Amino acid sequence: DTEVTQTPKHLVMGMTNKKSLKCEQHMGHRAMYWYKQKAKKPPELMFVYSYEKLSINESVPSRFSPECPNSSLLNLHLHALQPEDSALYLCASSQDWGQVKFFGPGTRLTVL
Amino acid sequence: AQSVTQPDIHITVSEGASLELRCNYSYGATPYLFWYVQSPGQGLQLLLKYFSGDTLVQGIKGFEAEFKRSQSSFNLRKPSVHWSDAAEYFCAVGGNTDKLIFGTGTRLQVFP
Repeated sequence: DTEVTQTPKHLVMGMTNKKSLKCEQHMGHRAMYWYKQKAKKPPELMFVYSYEKLSINESVPSRFSPECPNSSLLNLHLHALQPEDSALYLCASSQDWGQVKFFGPGTRLTVL
Repeated sequence: AQSVTQPDIHITVSEGASLELRCNYSYGATPYLFWYVQSPGQGLQLLLKYFSGDTLVQGIKGFEAEFKRSQSSFNLRKPSVHWSDAAEYFCAVGGNTDKLIFGTGTRLQVFP
């Protein structure tokens, strides 16, 4: 299995909702990442997990809460989001720190 | 400061024509360089990477890129473009910090 999967593909939520994004890889990669991409912009790093521990948080608001339950799975819990948080959320993984990153197809999030 | 510049926001070529997408970087240490392609609403697919060694690297889909340290460039080329190559192309630089810095992207349009 050589891919990163993300669910759901699309998500629409209100500002009071709680939802979660899920990312999975079965390549044995030990580093996993969340990126946010606004329309016509490059991806921006949000979080990095290395060996299931949070190693980088790019000053992301606390309404975004990452979780890495095991080495194959990465979640992003969402609560009290704002309309400006609407974006494509990309998950990526790499074999180890600093190595090539493989991206999933993304979750298109719309906050109403 | 670490940065990536893609001077061309939008490029249009005819199918069968050659292509060169420009990328310049600024990075304090030895750079790891990447080209990714993104189709609308999709994730990023790795086209090729440069870590060290031969400065001309071959990638998937017939793409190649040349690392020129003296010019701080990593331009992407393809000898004959296909209509399916129409997409957004991102150049990125990384290194031992595990933060991938993306350029702003070049949108490629292909006319039949």
